[in-house]
Amino acid sequence: GQNIDQPTEMTATEGAIVQINCTYQTSGFNGLFWYQQHAGEAPTFLSYNVLDGLEEKGRFSSFLSRSKGYSYLLLKELQMKDSASYLCAVYNANAGKSTFGDGTTLTVKP
Amino acid sequence: KAGVTQTPRYLIKTRGQQVTLSCSPISGHRSVSWYQQTPGQGLQFLFEYFSETQRNKGNFPGRFSGRQFSNSRSEMNVSTLELGDSALYLCASTLEASSHNEQFFGPGTRLTVL
Repeated sequence: GQNIDQPTEMTATEGAIVQINCTYQTSGFNGLFWYQQHAGEAPTFLSYNVLDGLEEKGRFSSFLSRSKGYSYLLLKELQMKDSASYLCAVYNANAGKSTFGDGTTLTVKP
Repeated sequence: KAGVTQTPRYLIKTRGQQVTLSCSPISGHRSVSWYQQTPGQGLQFLFEYFSETQRNKGNFPGRFSGRQFSNSRSEMNVSTLELGDSALYLCASTLEASSHNEQFFGPGTRLTVL
């Protein structure tokens, strides 16, 4: 089966750094995605990790540890526009689909 | 390049009715996946279509069905609507089937069942 856990909500201050964790227990693993979804909008792609380690892309970084079934999304220099839901999704090539976590709603305060 | 489009954007139906939602993928993308998103259940995979064939299916009842046309446009149908079917229905396109590539999501169709 597939089980993906993320915190439901997080709050952080503008300009700060926040780390959103995702743990997974899946029957197959071929990569992990992070998506951002603003209220009332479609999810948009942020990152994809298939190997262990840190992938940096501007203010956003994503980390993966396959042995621990663990990933995190790191957001630096937070801006108000970063207030959104962040979805972790595990891709299973055998199943031919991605399984999504319930998402973490991040609120950035001034 | 135009993004993924979905029609209609909003829909209100009553229990027992049926509904058809449409999705046009990004030009050149051949795979379309459908998801149901609700506050309590998150994003749940419905099915994936590639080259007019359903390749994968999630754990939804037979009331949920879909198809894909030769131009890669896809439709999903829900028959005998129930209150619990109220949700945001998202479609996502990728270049190839069952790909590890990023999915491009449409804006969604918000279905309300009364």
